[in-house]
Amino acid sequence: GAVVSQHPSRVICKSGTSVKIECRSLDFQATTMFWYRQFPKQSLMLMATSNEGSKATYEQGVEKDKFLINHASLTLSTLTVTSAHPEDSSFYICSAPTRQGANTEAFFGQGTRLTVV
Amino acid sequence: GEDVEQSLFLSVREGDSSVINCTYTDSSSTYLYWYKQEPGAGLQLLTYIFSNMDMKQDQRLTVLLNKKDKHLSLRIADTQTGDSAIYFCAERANQGGKLIFGQGTELSVKP
Repeated sequence: GAVVSQHPSRVICKSGTSVKIECRSLDFQATTMFWYRQFPKQSLMLMATSNEGSKATYEQGVEKDKFLINHASLTLSTLTVTSAHPEDSSFYICSAPTRQGANTEAFFGQGTRLTVV
Repeated sequence: GEDVEQSLFLSVREGDSSVINCTYTDSSSTYLYWYKQEPGAGLQLLTYIFSNMDMKQDQRLTVLLNKKDKHLSLRIADTQTGDSAIYFCAERANQGGKLIFGQGTELSVKP
């Protein structure tokens, strides 16, 4: 299957600083990527849809000024958590859909564990 | 709106079959998916089924879909300790390509 690479896998940062997470599609182009957030023992909550060449679409309740998304190219989307607070600590996962025959499948990155201290 | 529900826990003995259930509300869903997540890792696509199918088998995995009741199940035959993980069902929303996930079922396989 297609490969989506996410970096870093773990990051610890101080309150008030910003953290950038990268999501790359390694062997296919993705005009759209999705960013999810997952709290411990909970499901994935869609935060935003990243669109190459245009603004991201944020889900209701997600602060666009806090979670900056940039889809710089057809293989790279970045999520920047600005002015991080301890409550931003979570597991962030990106995914990129790609056509697989008649179906569109979503491939996921490995996730990024963010801890804000 | 779209909603996907799963039971939270399932415990089985090694060698038994596991059945993980999922219900969804969006009748316009076209594809339904099962993902596996091991601790601290991303999601691995296990299998998927078209909404016009009622069964799909892939080695030890069998997916059953009852479209009338909006019920999806994943059966794992001969469950192994390596199958211990959280299993998410997901439906593809009617637009935008985004996936709507259930809460995840934590499968525990005891030797």
